[in-house]
Amino acid sequence: NAGVTQTPKFQVLKTGQSMTLQCAQDMNHEYMSWYRQDPGMGLRLIHYSVGAGITDQGEVPNGYNVSRSTTEDFPLRLLSAAPSQTSVYFCASRGGFEQYFGPGTRLTVT
Amino acid sequence: GENVEQHPSTLSVQEGDSAVIKCTYSDSASNYFPWYKQELGKGPQLIIDIRSNVGEKKDQRIAVTLNKTAKHFSLHITETQPEDSAVYFCAASTGDNFNKFYFGSGTKLNVKP
Repeated sequence: NAGVTQTPKFQVLKTGQSMTLQCAQDMNHEYMSWYRQDPGMGLRLIHYSVGAGITDQGEVPNGYNVSRSTTEDFPLRLLSAAPSQTSVYFCASRGGFEQYFGPGTRLTVT
Repeated sequence: GENVEQHPSTLSVQEGDSAVIKCTYSDSASNYFPWYKQELGKGPQLIIDIRSNVGEKKDQRIAVTLNKTAKHFSLHITETQPEDSAVYFCAASTGDNFNKFYFGSGTKLNVKP
């Protein structure tokens, strides 16, 4: 099993550009989530999904969109990137209690 | 929402010594408390967790204690080794479905050989 995979590993955007961060899992988990990690602030939940077609907001959802069309994939969309969205983004999936995190995407917005 | 505070932000110990990291939470409804280890350039990995109906849980050199009355929980690592060096995060979750997790700000543990 590959577990949770994320692409790309690194990305540089200009202010106002859009992009999609990809996340996939092969563990057949219903629950998936997106976090951002900023220095000194731990991880903050952006959006989560409890199954295909069901998404909800987390702690810091503004500026991000998600959708869940399949169990395996949970992409995160930035419609108009801002410098405040410079961060490391982690995707996670969960079957029982344990969350499995992907390797992260480091995003820089200039 | 829930607020999780974690201390210390950095911790340096000698190999073989014990390390203790402490977290407090604000929402008395929180009932699941995982701890994660994050190595450089990687995603967090669950190392131990505890539910609110248990006061202590141990797994080899790692233990977690929970005080529901005081709303704090702690991670204890005994006989530390250089490979324990990493950033550790506590988290809290609430509700029957545990859909939302709130993380502490992290502790960078350095184990000196």
